Amino acid sequence: EADIYQTPRYLVIGTGKKITLECSQTMGHDKMYWYQQDPGMELHLIHYSYGVNSTEKGDLSSESTVSRIRTEHFPLTLESARPSHTSQYLCASSREDEQYFGPGTRLTVT
Amino acid sequence: AQSVTQPDIHITVSEGASLELRCNYSYGATPYLFWYVQSPGQGLQLLLKYFSGDTLVQGIKGFEAEFKRSQSSFNLRKPSVHWSDAAEYFCAVGPGVTTDSWGKLQFGAGTQVVVTP
Repeated sequence: EADIYQTPRYLVIGTGKKITLECSQTMGHDKMYWYQQDPGMELHLIHYSYGVNSTEKGDLSSESTVSRIRTEHFPLTLESARPSHTSQYLCASSREDEQYFGPGTRLTVT
Repeated sequence: AQSVTQPDIHITVSEGASLELRCNYSYGATPYLFWYVQSPGQGLQLLLKYFSGDTLVQGIKGFEAEFKRSQSSFNLRKPSVHWSDAAEYFCAVGPGVTTDSWGKLQFGAGTQVVVTP
């Protein structure tokens, strides 16, 4: 059983608000990832991290930012939410190539 | 560039019938291959993976997949589906042995499986 947690699970927020999506894992994995998933679509990698103080942008351009101050914590921040940010955000972690996923945060921006 | 194609967007199958989900990939070398399942409102759960060796891979929940290099395919099968198998299934490909091997995956668009009584 993978121990990776995301909060909140669901979030409805107005345009222009700043939001932070939390992701934590207790497996000691160095690698962590954020994916964006729209209904019926593939997952798109938006951010990843090799370890503490390491962050990189993924294949899909995103206005969000991430930080990795602690191994277990990889939060994603949107400074000013817009309706185009409405989506599901999945966090994952891995030691090598096998990724373990959190339950996701479904974000709706009105 | 690597890519993953799942030709079937949606499959309906009767409970107890067999299931096969198709996955084709494009990659320059032998990749790492994965199948994940996603139930509604949940994250992805790993069903099985192929790195090397025996091309028929057994996974959890009675699933298996076969790697066919000549066809660039990694199809998922289950001999007899249960109603609880209704979910979305994603095939993914990752780099093989690389200098950094940091496990960046490319996912297919998914196949939605509906199980009828």
